[in-house]
Amino acid sequence: DAGITQSPRYKITETGRQVTLMCHQTWSHSYMFWYRQDLGHGLRLIYYSAAADITDKGEVPDGYVVSRSKTENFPLTLESATRSQTSVYFCASSLDRQGYNEQFFGPGTRLTVL
Amino acid sequence: DAKTTQPNSMESNEEEPVHLPCNHSTISGTDYIHWYRQLPSQGPEYVIHGLTSNVNNRMASLAIAEDRKSSTLILHRATLRDAAVYYCIPYIYNQGGKLIFGQGTELSVKP
Repeated sequence: DAGITQSPRYKITETGRQVTLMCHQTWSHSYMFWYRQDLGHGLRLIYYSAAADITDKGEVPDGYVVSRSKTENFPLTLESATRSQTSVYFCASSLDRQGYNEQFFGPGTRLTVL
Repeated sequence: DAKTTQPNSMESNEEEPVHLPCNHSTISGTDYIHWYRQLPSQGPEYVIHGLTSNVNNRMASLAIAEDRKSSTLILHRATLRDAAVYYCIPYIYNQGGKLIFGQGTELSVKP
């Protein structure tokens, strides 16, 4: 199906384990983004990417690693998960950086770190 | 960075208009104003955006003050499905397409 998808939708892991959250979009959008949303709060930007092989840090990048070898995929890796990384993670994409292009969000991945 | 101020929560009755205010007094002249909303247990979705003049689309209208220090999102007839958190976000052109979300306004709609 066309659109932006995230996998897994739910994940439970343990402190210290490596976890990779996947994001895939079918629109060939240039920009992709990762946000986290903690209970009762707004979204905070973790990393973003302007194109394949171009990534940059957002507001809260510590503890996360991203890569973008293909335009359509933007995986987010927690190299050594901590309890403070328990959150809902949203991936988004947009066609261009211009102010009039909206971001399209995926359904989110709910991650619990025990 | 441009800061926004929105009420934490608002209530509306079904089928009545809703005016959601946002103050963004530090916005620069080239920054667009975006509005997104987040329904319960879903990712945010785009609602509308504007620069200087008022804007309309099928979801809502956006009224931007002449000095651009504030804007108002207008839902013409609220439905139960409009219950969501609404975010007003200044889009900073030179920040690489990033959206910086604040706390937003939680809108509840009563039948």
